Amino acid sequence: QKEVEQNSGPLSVPEGAIASLNCTYSDRGSQSFFWYRQYSGKSPELIMSIYSNGDKEDGRFTAQLNKASQYVSLLIRDSQPSDSATYLCAVNGGNNRKLIWGLGTSLAVNP
Amino acid sequence: ETGVTQTPRHLVMGMTNKKSLKCEQHLGHNAMYWYKQSAKKPLELMFVYNFKEQTENNSVPSRFSPECPNSSHLFLHLHTLQPEDSALYLCASSQLGTSGTDTQYFGPGTRLTVL
Repeated sequence: QKEVEQNSGPLSVPEGAIASLNCTYSDRGSQSFFWYRQYSGKSPELIMSIYSNGDKEDGRFTAQLNKASQYVSLLIRDSQPSDSATYLCAVNGGNNRKLIWGLGTSLAVNP
Repeated sequence: ETGVTQTPRHLVMGMTNKKSLKCEQHLGHNAMYWYKQSAKKPLELMFVYNFKEQTENNSVPSRFSPECPNSSHLFLHLHTLQPEDSALYLCASSQLGTSGTDTQYFGPGTRLTVL
């Protein structure tokens, strides 16, 4: 059973701090990794995708991938109250292009 | 219209009703997906259509019937649903390529309540 694990939280950080969200996956053949943000009552919105080991930065967001350790993380710098949401990790492995989803981590940024 | 649209946004139906959910993507993608999102569960993939052909059916009960008339439109026909089918139903689309790195984009979802 291919799995994606995330700490459900809630993760609470003060405004301006760095929020660190982690995700581990079981399928070593996984090739594509995605972070989505989902506000309450809304649909998932893509934040970042990453395919190679290392860091990928986009504005205040940095995704980090370590295939040897089978984890992918998302760092949010200068966290804002508007970043308060559930962050979903999704992993695409092999040839079937099927995304395996984590349960999500709830992030609360306190003013 | 841009992105992925879904109608209706909210739906309340009885167990004996028949209704349909509609999804339309304006991104020129060639694959479309139906997901179910319930509380405390990961997103559940229900159906995948690739170039209008169904390529995935994740053991979904027959009371859910998908239809994909073309690569831009996707429907989910509902009949004799159960209260446990109440959930957020999400449509997504992606552009399938050879690299396997296709990204899925979601519509706003339909919040379904079965009484």
